Amino acid sequence: GENVEQHPSTLSVQEGDSAVIKCTYSDSASNYFPWYKQELGKRPQLIIDIRSNVGEKKDQRIAVTLNKTAKHFSLHITETQPEDSAVYFCAARISGGSYIPTFGRGTSLIVHP
Amino acid sequence: DGGITQSPKYLFRKEGQNVTLSCEQNLNHDAMYWYRQDPGQGLRLIYYSQIVNDFQKGDIAEGYSVSREKKESFPLTVTSAQKNPTAFYLCASSPETASSGANVLTFGAGSRLTVL
Repeated sequence: GENVEQHPSTLSVQEGDSAVIKCTYSDSASNYFPWYKQELGKRPQLIIDIRSNVGEKKDQRIAVTLNKTAKHFSLHITETQPEDSAVYFCAARISGGSYIPTFGRGTSLIVHP
Repeated sequence: DGGITQSPKYLFRKEGQNVTLSCEQNLNHDAMYWYRQDPGQGLRLIYYSQIVNDFQKGDIAEGYSVSREKKESFPLTVTSAQKNPTAFYLCASSPETASSGANVLTFGAGSRLTVL
C-alpha cells in the first residue's frame, strides 16, 4: 500500500515568514494529493489539493508543488499569520483500488506574533 | 454543524466495557470512514464503508467493529479487545471513493475516548 512521510513534525516561524512542509509518497500510482488543516480542538478541513497532472497550484498565501519524478509534494505558506497556527496533514491517494487517501503524521505549525 | 455529527464529544469507559461512538451525516455521501488520531501518529484508518451494508477494514481494525445499516449512519464500537483505546476518534464522509477525481473528506468534530 501507499506510505506517506511528512516533515517536519514541528515547525516554528515568526509572523510574516514563510513555512514549508514536505511530504514524500511511495506509490507512483498516486494521483491526488490533498492538504488538511486542523486547528486546535477542531476538525481537519481541506485547504488545498493537487492532482498529478499539475505541478503547482496556488490559492492566495497557500501553494502546493508536486514533483512526480521524485515522488514528493510540498505545502508553502507565505506571509504567515498567527491564525495559520495548526496541525497540517498531507495525504496521497492511489489511482485504482479503494481510492482511500493515506495520511502523513502531521506537522504542528506555530506562528509567533 | 458541517453536515456530519459525532457523539458523544467526550466519553469515559472502564476497562472491559464496550462503547459505541455515533456518526451521522446529512450530506448524502456514499462513503464513510473512521480514523483514530494519536499525538504524532497522524490519522490512522480503522474502518471505511463505500456503500450501505458493506464495510472494509482499515490499517488498525483490530478491537473495533462497525455497521452501516443506513446511508446516513456509521457507528463505531470500541470493544474490550482493543488494548489501547484511549484516543481521539474522527468520523469522515465523502461523496464516493471509486472515482479518478478528487475525494474530499468532510470530518466530524471528533469524540475523545478515555479509558479509566
